[in-house]
Amino acid sequence: KQEVTQIPAALSVPEGENLVLNCSFTDSAIYNLQWFRQDPGKGLTSLLLIQSSQREQTSGRLNASLDKSSGRSTLYIAASQPGDSATYLCAVWNNNDMRFGAGTRLTVKP
Amino acid sequence: KAGVTQTPRYLIKTRGQQVTLSCSPISGHRSVSWYQQTPGQGLQFLFEYFSETQRNKGNFPGRFSGRQFSNSRSEMNVSTLELGDSALYLCASSLEIKWGVNTEAFFGQGTRLTVV
Repeated sequence: KQEVTQIPAALSVPEGENLVLNCSFTDSAIYNLQWFRQDPGKGLTSLLLIQSSQREQTSGRLNASLDKSSGRSTLYIAASQPGDSATYLCAVWNNNDMRFGAGTRLTVKP
Repeated sequence: KAGVTQTPRYLIKTRGQQVTLSCSPISGHRSVSWYQQTPGQGLQFLFEYFSETQRNKGNFPGRFSGRQFSNSRSEMNVSTLELGDSALYLCASSLEIKWGVNTEAFFGQGTRLTVV
């Protein structure tokens, strides 16, 4: 059974800092890995999708990498802003279901 | 294009009642998945439908069921509600889910169910 772990559980940084969120998974036979953000009480917003055959994806200040062999992914956020404050979730697809980590709650202080 | 639409957004039910939640996927998407989100358990997979067929089911009791219609819209039903069923229920749509395919999932805003 796929287990997804995210570290750290919570992170507080001053505005402007670069930061890294970590995601690890136990079964490397994944279709893809997707990073989401969730604001309190809201649905999930897709940030980046990395397909199984890819190593990384970039969108604006976000860069996500995938190392299937070691079961790890990182989400790099450059020049963080207060608007980046949210919970960040990683999820992996395999066998027609998506498994989520518990998330990293990020607070960016002005 | 329109996103994933879930209705209703909020719902209050009494223990023992049943409830039906609806999810309209992005046009052209044939896969719909449902998730339960609670503070204690996080996001847990309920089931996934593709072309009206349930392809996978999570570890939930039989009180939780779903279906998908020919237009890909999906409904989720919970019978004999319990207090512990209070949660945010999210659905996600994607084109397809298999290796080598862009399976990006898009989520609706969710239905907040409160059981009293």
